[in-house]
Amino acid sequence: QKEVEQDPGPLSVPEGAIVSLNCTYSNSAFQYFMWYRQYSRKGPELLMYTYSSGNKEDGRFTAQVDKSSKYISLFIRDSQPSDSATYLCAIDRGSTLGRLYFGRGTQLTVWP
Amino acid sequence: EPEVTQTPSHQVTQMGQEVILRCVPISNHLYFYWYRQILGQKVEFLVSFYNNEISEKSEIFDDQFSVERPDGSNFTLKIRSTKLEDSAMYFCARSGVNTGELFFGEGSRLTVL
Repeated sequence: QKEVEQDPGPLSVPEGAIVSLNCTYSNSAFQYFMWYRQYSRKGPELLMYTYSSGNKEDGRFTAQVDKSSKYISLFIRDSQPSDSATYLCAIDRGSTLGRLYFGRGTQLTVWP
Repeated sequence: EPEVTQTPSHQVTQMGQEVILRCVPISNHLYFYWYRQILGQKVEFLVSFYNNEISEKSEIFDDQFSVERPDGSNFTLKIRSTKLEDSAMYFCARSGVNTGELFFGEGSRLTVL
């Protein structure tokens, strides 16, 4: 299935760097866009939730959705070693509750 | 603290054996889900469960899989006759307030030998 594409990385950055993570999707019917963080062998943890196009900011995290380009982004400012994890984008069509389509995940390492 | 509690955290089984994975929600919710993640691959939707009935299932969720909520609290995923390719992390999730918001448990790792 190619609903969601995400570069798996790995991505390695120094502490304090700005991190940019991206996904593309194929179906314009998608309405709801999420970013999850997953630590090794743990469940995905919801980080950011956005509906439709635009930006949403929460602390050091900014989620961006461009529906015209079918492109979603997550920016992490002032990255910390504790941000080291795999970041998964996920998309919901909205017509079937809770059926999310996940990207493969980008593995991020922030080194001190 | 996880939104749902899953047991067992890890189960090793022989091919052909039946496995039951359990999920206990922390609070009372109507919508529950099972997802799985094969090592190195995407998290994939298996099934959604609403008001004690299957709401939707994916093509992965074939006849060897079943879900139920036997006592109104525990939510179980049964795999009738496990195959090697069933080895994966299985995640239970419950819905949030907003459409698409899901809160996942810590997962149950299934290893089929």
